[in-house]
Amino acid sequence: GNSVTQMEGPVTLSEEAFLTINCTYTATGYPSLFWYVQYPGEGLQLLLKATKADDKGSNKGFEATYRKETTSFHLEKGSVQVSDSAVYFCALSDYGGSNYKLTFGKGTLLTVNP
Amino acid sequence: SQTIHQWPATLVQPVGSPLSLECTVEGTSNPNLYWYRQAAGRGLQLLFYSVGIGQISSEVPQNLSASRPQDRQFILSSKKLLLSDSGFYLCAWSVKGMNTEAFFGQGTRLTVV
Repeated sequence: GNSVTQMEGPVTLSEEAFLTINCTYTATGYPSLFWYVQYPGEGLQLLLKATKADDKGSNKGFEATYRKETTSFHLEKGSVQVSDSAVYFCALSDYGGSNYKLTFGKGTLLTVNP
Repeated sequence: SQTIHQWPATLVQPVGSPLSLECTVEGTSNPNLYWYRQAAGRGLQLLFYSVGIGQISSEVPQNLSASRPQDRQFILSSKKLLLSDSGFYLCAWSVKGMNTEAFFGQGTRLTVV
């Protein structure tokens, strides 16, 4: 079956530091890949996505590149802000016999200190 | 534009009481619909998904059930809540037939006491 493995953290950084959150996946088909962000007490928001190999998703200074050869989709940001503090989920979507399904990693808690 | 509404936002229920959480989607038709639970520790567990009215697939055996009485309405229910049903419940929708993202509601924080 499909699976997503991401570094669980927690990750604590100072403002303006560089961020990397690793994500690797296992899929039987050709998945689409996503990063979601969850702020405290809220639902998940789509941060960025990539639908084919070598695609780069980007949004709000965050980037991730779909690497088929290493089955990875690492999230990066060059300079984090306090407002980036949240839980980040890596996910894939793939066809599961009767429907496309999302499979999520366990989430990574990021705390950015001033 | 499409929107998803989920209510209530918070709920405190005694053990053994019934549960009904409702989710509706606007601005799209014939969506796939999902219920997820997020327990302590942040992981997301898919509970149910639906590809159409009256069509429900359960991912894990549990004390909960789901129904889809209308195209854009998805209901999560229980006849008798357990302490272990506490958690953060999220409804989501996606476009049918496409390998693309799901869009989430704001969630319901359920505490069973």
